[in-house]
Amino acid sequence: GAVVSQHPSWVICKSGTSVKIECRSLDFQATTMFWYRQFPKQSLMLMATSNEGSKATYEQGVEKDKFLINHASLTLSTLTVTSAHPEDSSFYICSARTGTEAFFGQGTRLTVV
Amino acid sequence: AQSVTQPDIHITVSEGASLELRCNYSYGATPYLFWYVQSPGQGLQLLLKYFSGDTLVQGIKGFEAEFKRSQSSFNLRKPSVHWSDAAEYFCAVGAPAAGNKLTFGGGTRVLVKP
Repeated sequence: GAVVSQHPSWVICKSGTSVKIECRSLDFQATTMFWYRQFPKQSLMLMATSNEGSKATYEQGVEKDKFLINHASLTLSTLTVTSAHPEDSSFYICSARTGTEAFFGQGTRLTVV
Repeated sequence: AQSVTQPDIHITVSEGASLELRCNYSYGATPYLFWYVQSPGQGLQLLLKYFSGDTLVQGIKGFEAEFKRSQSSFNLRKPSVHWSDAAEYFCAVGAPAAGNKLTFGGGTRVLVKP
């Protein structure tokens, strides 16, 4: 199947700093990418839908100024957690869609200290 | 809006025994249905999917699922579980009318006893 690469796989940052997470589709072009957040032992919650060349669509309750999403090309979307706080610590997963199927990255464990 | 319910939070099964994971969905039309597996600290791997046609779907790793429209269910089964099947399993529904956005169930954690 198609491969989605997410980087970094884990990151620790200080409170107040910003962190960027990259999501790349390696062998296909993805016009749409999705960003999810997963708390321990819970399901995936969709944060936003990212479309190449346009602004991301955020789900209700997700702060767009805190979670900046950029989809600059058909193979790359980035999620920047700005002014991170400990409550932003979580597992973030991206997925890229091709046709009717979505492929997932390996996830990024963010810990804010 | 679509929703997915996985009634079982945890299931413990003996190695070699059969496994069935339940999934019920709510969607106004025929949805796209998926089962994913997640190992600890990892992303999701697609096990199988249903879009249309034959309601019994075969997937990878010996899994199968059956779509039952009358029951709004898409249960996942495996005849004989291996220790490596211990993981978290997520059922998801994709809404064609909403850009195929996926909505996930709460997940079922499968533990395999030797």
